[in-house]
Amino acid sequence: EAAVTQSPRSKVAVTGGKVTLSCHQTNNHDYMYWYRQDTGHGLRLIHYSYVADSTEKGDIPDGYKASRPSQENFSLILELASLSQTAVYFCASSGGASNERLFFGHGTKLSVL
Amino acid sequence: QQQVRQSPQSLTVWEGETAILNCSYEDSTFDYFPWYHQFPGESPALLIAIRPVSNKKEDGRFTIFFNKREKKFSLHIADSQPGDSATYFCAARRYGSSGNKLIFGIGTLLSVKP
Repeated sequence: EAAVTQSPRSKVAVTGGKVTLSCHQTNNHDYMYWYRQDTGHGLRLIHYSYVADSTEKGDIPDGYKASRPSQENFSLILELASLSQTAVYFCASSGGASNERLFFGHGTKLSVL
Repeated sequence: QQQVRQSPQSLTVWEGETAILNCSYEDSTFDYFPWYHQFPGESPALLIAIRPVSNKKEDGRFTIFFNKREKKFSLHIADSQPGDSATYFCAARRYGSSGNKLIFGIGTLLSVKP
């Protein structure tokens, strides 16, 4: 079974602080994604990557950076956390063009106070 | 601007009825249309998917109907069970020079009453 592991499971951050969310996959997948989930908005794509050392902007990238240092690891960085970034963040991986199924991690609940 | 529109936002049906969830899109370059479900406290998981070469895909009680001309697709859950109660997301994939992007709808919260 494909495995995507996120850390931490939950985090409380202060406004203006730096937050790093980490994701590790053991699926040997090329693609990794960061989504945020909010009531009324569904799942919105923040950043994604299809090769190590390269990232792409999703639909809502403002206020977020991403880093893909290796095929297995993909981080989401909030340099200056804001109240509006309180949400549940999901990391996912997929095999790519002909293997589109997304495997999600368990999510990270982020509260910015 | 919502690229994949989903309705209704919530739906309640009785056990045994057919639940119908709807989605539409504008971008004709989308080439893959999955449905994911998410149970409370869990992460989303793939339920069923279709490509535009087909207009129907069945998997047990779950069926996708796809209308390429009208850019609409729907999920029908036959003989709904209380265990089907969850949030259902439709999605559409765009594959291009920047790789593979899956765009989700806002979700439908389905409640099946016994």
